[in-house]
Amino acid sequence: QVRLQESGPGLVKPSETLSLTCTISGGTITSKYWVWVRQPPGKGLEWIGYIYYNGGTNYSPSLKSRVTMSVDSSKSLFSLRLSSVTAADTAVYFCARWISPYGLDIWGQGTTVVVSS
Amino acid sequence: DIQMTQSPSSLSASVGDRVTITCRASQTISVYLNWYQQTPGKAPKLLIHSASTLHSGVPSRFSGSGSGTEFTLTISSLQSEDFATYYCQQGYGAPYSFGQGTKVDVK
Repeated sequence: QVRLQESGPGLVKPSETLSLTCTISGGTITSKYWVWVRQPPGKGLEWIGYIYYNGGTNYSPSLKSRVTMSVDSSKSLFSLRLSSVTAADTAVYFCARWISPYGLDIWGQGTTVVVSS
Repeated sequence: DIQMTQSPSSLSASVGDRVTITCRASQTISVYLNWYQQTPGKAPKLLIHSASTLHSGVPSRFSGSGSGTEFTLTISSLQSEDFATYYCQQGYGAPYSFGQGTKVDVK
């Protein structure tokens, strides 16, 4: 059974870079799309972007200038970097598997990131 | 970008009620529409993909319909575990945007 687990700092200072990792267990990273979604407190889901197992990426236009995703197939993990963060980036960040176009079928439990000095 | 709009934003219902949630896309998305259920503090769960196909393990009281720009999620007989927030998502074109959510709570 495939499982995803997010990890990373829970507190990031304004203007710094948020870095999260999603580790895949119980399955292969290959031939799949891997996604980051976030949810600000009390709000809805926001699509951040995806990375394909071969490194191809697609980012939301609203975040594109600040987002970088990467994948490490040897370690079965993929990562998110979001630069120049502000309080508006405070959210629960989820990683998920995207079975294009059939939905996000497996999700991590989510990790809370607070942007504050 | 494709905008997804759900209605209503919230609704109150009782166990056994039939519940319908609507999702509209700002442009045609064929049948590339997915539905998710999220309970507080948990990750969303995929309910339906391709507008009407139940994801594995999802109870048959959930159903979806629609194509083009208008879609519906129906719960035929609401159960206690169904009180949650429901999101639609388009899978037609990146960025694969979500609706704003519909919260189903106890009447």
